[in-house]
Amino acid sequence: DARVTQTPRHKVTEMGQEVTMRCQPILGHNTVFWYRQTMMQGLELLAYFRNRAPLDDSGMPKDRFSAEMPDATLATLKIQPSEPRDSAVYFCASEEQTQAARASEQFFGPGTRLTVL
Amino acid sequence: GNSVTQMEGPVTLSEEAFLTINCTYTATGYPSLFWYVQYPGEGLQLLLKATKADDKGSNKGFEATYRKETTSFHLEKGSVQVSDSAVYFCALSGNTGKLIFGQGTTLQVKP
Repeated sequence: DARVTQTPRHKVTEMGQEVTMRCQPILGHNTVFWYRQTMMQGLELLAYFRNRAPLDDSGMPKDRFSAEMPDATLATLKIQPSEPRDSAVYFCASEEQTQAARASEQFFGPGTRLTVL
Repeated sequence: GNSVTQMEGPVTLSEEAFLTINCTYTATGYPSLFWYVQYPGEGLQLLLKATKADDKGSNKGFEATYRKETTSFHLEKGSVQVSDSAVYFCALSGNTGKLIFGQGTTLQVKP
């Protein structure tokens, strides 16, 4: 049963600390998304990659957030330094996108619940 | 730009009641339309989709019809169960491959 995995599931840290969240997309999926979900803002797209290349990171605060795909099996989202306003649930999703079918189905991971004190 | 508007929640229903969650969209071109569901403590999962006008997506008793003339994709179910309690997101996808989500509608079904 293929699924997207995310680690850690929960993270509590203090303001100013570095946070790294990891995502393993479904094998064979070429597109990976990072979302943030809060009560106030709802679901926001932070960044996404296709074939490991970043396509759009306009939703991400550039000064403290960075997203990378070191290889096809790992995507990372890093916050440095973290702030209390970064507290949220961060979701990774993956999808197999082709030219013929640009949007099929995104598969979401269970999320990382981040609390910054 | 593209956008999705959903009815505000929460929607509270008794078991076996009829459900409608309204969704309208603004888009250029011919987007695909989706409903995702998020159960407590989980990520979103695809509920149903439609890729062209007049298509009807259906799954688990839920249905939605792609109405180009009214730019709508309303979600319906004839008889809801307590287990349907969740947050429902309407979304569209244009030619960029990104999904544009609505704000989500919380459904609470009481026994």
